[in-house]
Amino acid sequence: EAQVTQNPRYLITVTGKKLTVTCSQNMNHEYMSWYRQDPGLGLRQIYYSMNVEVTDKGDVPEGYKVSRKEKRNFPLILESPSPNQTSLYFCASSLDGSGRTNTGELFFGEGSRLTVL
Amino acid sequence: SQQGEEDPQALSIQEGENATMNCSYKTSINNLQWYRQNSGRGLVHLILIRSNEREKHSGRLRVTLDTSKKSSSLLITASRAADTASYFCATDPTSGTYKYIFGTGTRLKVLA
Repeated sequence: EAQVTQNPRYLITVTGKKLTVTCSQNMNHEYMSWYRQDPGLGLRQIYYSMNVEVTDKGDVPEGYKVSRKEKRNFPLILESPSPNQTSLYFCASSLDGSGRTNTGELFFGEGSRLTVL
Repeated sequence: SQQGEEDPQALSIQEGENATMNCSYKTSINNLQWYRQNSGRGLVHLILIRSNEREKHSGRLRVTLDTSKKSSSLLITASRAADTASYFCATDPTSGTYKYIFGTGTRLKVLA
């Protein structure tokens, strides 16, 4: 089954304690991206990756890191989490990051709800 | 910055009625997509319309795109209670940055 898997789904942590949210896709997609969703703000892009070892900042990258060492994995790292990073996080992937040559469909994970105390 | 802004923010209708929601955006785009999100779940792709298309259908969904007004609408005909969800538009700007930009969403409630 084609899917994007995120872990953990729920996490409560404390300020400053490093954490990693993993994301894995089994569709051989080139493009992967992280979003955060906050009430009234919709989805905002944190980082995205066009391919292995190629990453770029989205609209709200501060306080986050990513890496793309393998095509299927795109972990999101919070080196020193702060309460303003409390949010619902989504990982997504698509064939090539646009609808210019295919359906452009983004496949989303089920989300990771993070609370930073 | 947010590219897409959906209107209305919330919509409540009776089962069987049609639901229309609108999306406005600010810059030139290659395509526009609509997604659905059930409460707290991941988003699911509904339909994509390219900048050279004006209308597209998929089942009970009808999407229009007016690039001169930088706006799109999503029509769901004969709504069902199961259509209750939030709906988001997402744009692929021509700036070439491969950054899908999502709007803030319309919360649709269909009453049985």
